[in-house]
Amino acid sequence: EPEVTQTPSHQVTQMGQEVILRCVPISNHLYFYWYRQILGQKVEFLVSFYNNEISEKSEIFDDQFSVERPDGSNFTLKIRSTKLEDSAMYFCATAGLTGRETQYFGPGTRLLVL
Amino acid sequence: RKEVEQDPGPFNVPEGATVAFNCTYSNSASQSFFWYRQDCRKEPKLLMSVYSSGNEDGRFTAQLNRASQYISLLIRDSKLSDSATYLCVVNGRKGGGADGLTFGKGTHLIIQP
Repeated sequence: EPEVTQTPSHQVTQMGQEVILRCVPISNHLYFYWYRQILGQKVEFLVSFYNNEISEKSEIFDDQFSVERPDGSNFTLKIRSTKLEDSAMYFCATAGLTGRETQYFGPGTRLLVL
Repeated sequence: RKEVEQDPGPFNVPEGATVAFNCTYSNSASQSFFWYRQDCRKEPKLLMSVYSSGNEDGRFTAQLNRASQYISLLIRDSKLSDSATYLCVVNGRKGGGADGLTFGKGTHLIIQP
């Protein structure tokens, strides 16, 4: 069964540093999403991406965050200057042709900002 | 008002019992409804979509009441492997294809031998 993959599985960084989280979507999927889950809290939507542009973003997705699909395969989330409160599990999800299909989640990247 | 509300539990249930979870959602424009399952420190995994007519998948039955904005999940003959957090999920504010999902905080289920 096709899977969404994410790298790295864990990332530890110093406050103020830039991090890039990577996702490889399921191959025929066209809609891509990032979510985060702070420890003990609910999964929260960050951003959706379709046709090489942001479709929707939440209030969490401020100017510190950016997404791109630089090479047509990887889908990345960049946090420009990390804060302590960015520590969370970050999940990539992808969906098929219309976006109304099931979203499949990757295993996540656990980010710890010190 | 919280967008998706669930009883956090935990629900401690003996193996073989039937257990029911409920959730309510606030966005009347939501068009897609799901139950996801999340194991500790893992990603959410789709358990089943929820349709207005109600739907069943093996031991799992889901119901949707649009008028009351209420979703339910019933697990029959519970197994030890059903122990997990069950997430009630609806699609986003606009009801469009690129909507992010809105998650409840989850209901924690513990099946006891």
